[in-house]
Amino acid sequence: KAGVTQTPRYLIKTRGQQVTLSCSPISGHRSVSWYQQTPGQGLQFLFEYFSETQRNKGNFPGRFSGRQFSNSRSEMNVSTLELGDSALYLCASSLGSNSYNEQFFGPGTRLTVL
Amino acid sequence: GENVEQHPSTLSVQEGDSAVIKCTYSDSASNYFPWYKQELGKGPQLIIDIRSNVGEKKDQRIAVTLNKTAKHFSLHITETQPEDSAVYFCAATGANSKLTFGKGITLSVRP
Repeated sequence: KAGVTQTPRYLIKTRGQQVTLSCSPISGHRSVSWYQQTPGQGLQFLFEYFSETQRNKGNFPGRFSGRQFSNSRSEMNVSTLELGDSALYLCASSLGSNSYNEQFFGPGTRLTVL
Repeated sequence: GENVEQHPSTLSVQEGDSAVIKCTYSDSASNYFPWYKQELGKGPQLIIDIRSNVGEKKDQRIAVTLNKTAKHFSLHITETQPEDSAVYFCAATGANSKLTFGKGITLSVRP
């Protein structure tokens, strides 16, 4: 069974630009969550989507947005990039939205903002 | 919301020794506590989890203990091996059903 895939793996952008990251969950998984990982803050929850609906949202500004498609694939978008947005962005999929469901993480997209 | 703290931030042990990583949480309604291991260049992977109705759970060389009264839980790794070297994250699910992670601890196992 294929794992969670994220594209691209690496990305370099400049301040003010916008970026879209993609996540393909494990086949059959309907929940996708996004996290931002930085050395000082660990994993910070961005949002969770289940059946194309946002179920939960973390404490990030409105520049961070996401969506989920009917095939459960998900994208997250960051507009007006800032230097502080440089991080590893992780996507995790699970069977359902219940937190008891094991979350399977992808390898992440490393975003560098110059 | 939930706040999860993890101590220490780094831990170095000799191969064969035991390692203990401790986490505390703030939300007394939290009921699910997973531990994740992240190797270099990979995403975190679940290694063990425990629910609030259980005090201890063991899986081969790893075990997790939960003290609901004190609101802390610990990961125990026995007979450590070099391949146990990684970043370990604890997490807790609060009343809002969101997973809140600790900041991670880097475990180094010296051969």
